[in-house]
Amino acid sequence: DTGVSQDPRHKITKRGQNVTFRCDPISEHNRLYWYRQTLGQGPEFLTYFQNEAQLEKSRLLSDRFSAERPKGSFSTLEIQRTEQGDSAMYLCASSLRNSGANVLTFGAGSRLTVL
Amino acid sequence: DQQVKQNSPSLSVQEGRISILNCDYTNSMFDYFLWYKKYPAEGPTFLISISSIKDKNEDGRFTVFLNKSAKHLSLHIVPSQPGDSAVYFCAASALTPLVFGKGTRLSVIA
Repeated sequence: DTGVSQDPRHKITKRGQNVTFRCDPISEHNRLYWYRQTLGQGPEFLTYFQNEAQLEKSRLLSDRFSAERPKGSFSTLEIQRTEQGDSAMYLCASSLRNSGANVLTFGAGSRLTVL
Repeated sequence: DQQVKQNSPSLSVQEGRISILNCDYTNSMFDYFLWYKKYPAEGPTFLISISSIKDKNEDGRFTVFLNKSAKHLSLHIVPSQPGDSAVYFCAASALTPLVFGKGTRLSVIA
């Protein structure tokens, strides 16, 4: 198992363009999370899935953002009509929810720069 | 409304000494607290956790202390090593996805 994989690692785009990020979680993990991190801040929760069901969305997730996990395996996060304020590191994490602490395993992130 | 607060943006410690990183929280419903470490260009990696029913958890050089009455937890690293230089995030959960603090940058000076 290679851990959580994210692609691309870095994306530079012009304002108004659409971008899509992909996340491949650890195979036996049933939960998948998207977080956003900006400079000087900790990771901020965006949304999460249990298997293919999207269970929670943060108010940070505007209607320009959409996430899917169609078969309960990989997930995509799409941002439409990007704005400069969308520039951030987008982190994906996965976990196997059971009793005890819900330990998330993070990928290396996808850095978005909107010009 | 920042539920998890790390009020020290940075900390410098000499190699071999103790590093103490602090975290405060406001939500009394949090049932687990976790510490993550982040190196540049990598995602956060899990370090250690503690349940709200405990006041101490130890794993090698790392010990987390929880003071529920003060809504405060701390991470102790003894002895500190140069490889411990990273950003440390405190996180908490209450049947919800993890809520993170802003992080503390630890620099261990040889």
